[in-house]
Amino acid sequence: QVQLVESGGGMVQPGRSLRLSCAASGFSFNSYAMHWVRQAPGKGLEWLASISYEGSQKVYADSVKGQFTISRDNAKNTLSLQMNNLRPEDTAVYYCARGSGWRRPEENYFDNWGQGSLVTVSS
Amino acid sequence: QSVLTQPPSVSGAPGQRVTISCTGTNSNIGTGYDVHWYQQLPGTAPKYVIYGNTYRPSGVPDRFSGSKSGASASLVITGLQAEDEADYYCQSYDSSLSAYVFGAGTKVTVL
Repeated sequence: QVQLVESGGGMVQPGRSLRLSCAASGFSFNSYAMHWVRQAPGKGLEWLASISYEGSQKVYADSVKGQFTISRDNAKNTLSLQMNNLRPEDTAVYYCARGSGWRRPEENYFDNWGQGSLVTVSS
Repeated sequence: QSVLTQPPSVSGAPGQRVTISCTGTNSNIGTGYDVHWYQQLPGTAPKYVIYGNTYRPSGVPDRFSGSKSGASASLVITGLQAEDEADYYCQSYDSSLSAYVFGAGTKVTVL
């Protein structure tokens, strides 16, 4: 069965960096686009970034463009999110999610989610 | 402020029908992009319950149904059950933002 396991979260001071990882198993990782979605405490879902199945195309939400970098290693079935210059408003649970492959990329939904990794940005 | 507008909460007694609306604009739902729905139980990751406006994945009870008309979509739960108490989010794509967008979520309470 599809499994996505995030790691790398924790507490970090404002201005510092953190790198999240998502280990994928149970499917052909190199055949699917992957995404990061976050959820601030008590708030809704916010899509952050997407990466194509082979890694050549990356798209970001305006809120994290230039601050976060999505990447993948298909040899290791791993998705990553490099987060720089973190701010208190980046405090959230970060989920990796698999793109469904439904119709065209814009029509995609997120058909499998990890359990989430909590990132707390505080001094 | 979310791009897609959902009511903050809806409630119903067991067995009743509840409807959650999701209203967009001409740059997202209104331009033809599909709407998908997610259920998030407390303390867990979201799970999709409707995709492509109306399709229900295997394993999701048939009391869940979706529809779309113009720039709006709806999720209907018919025969509400206690285990349906959760937050529900709609999701689509916005061509102006070049981004996947979510509604702010609707809390369903079973009375």
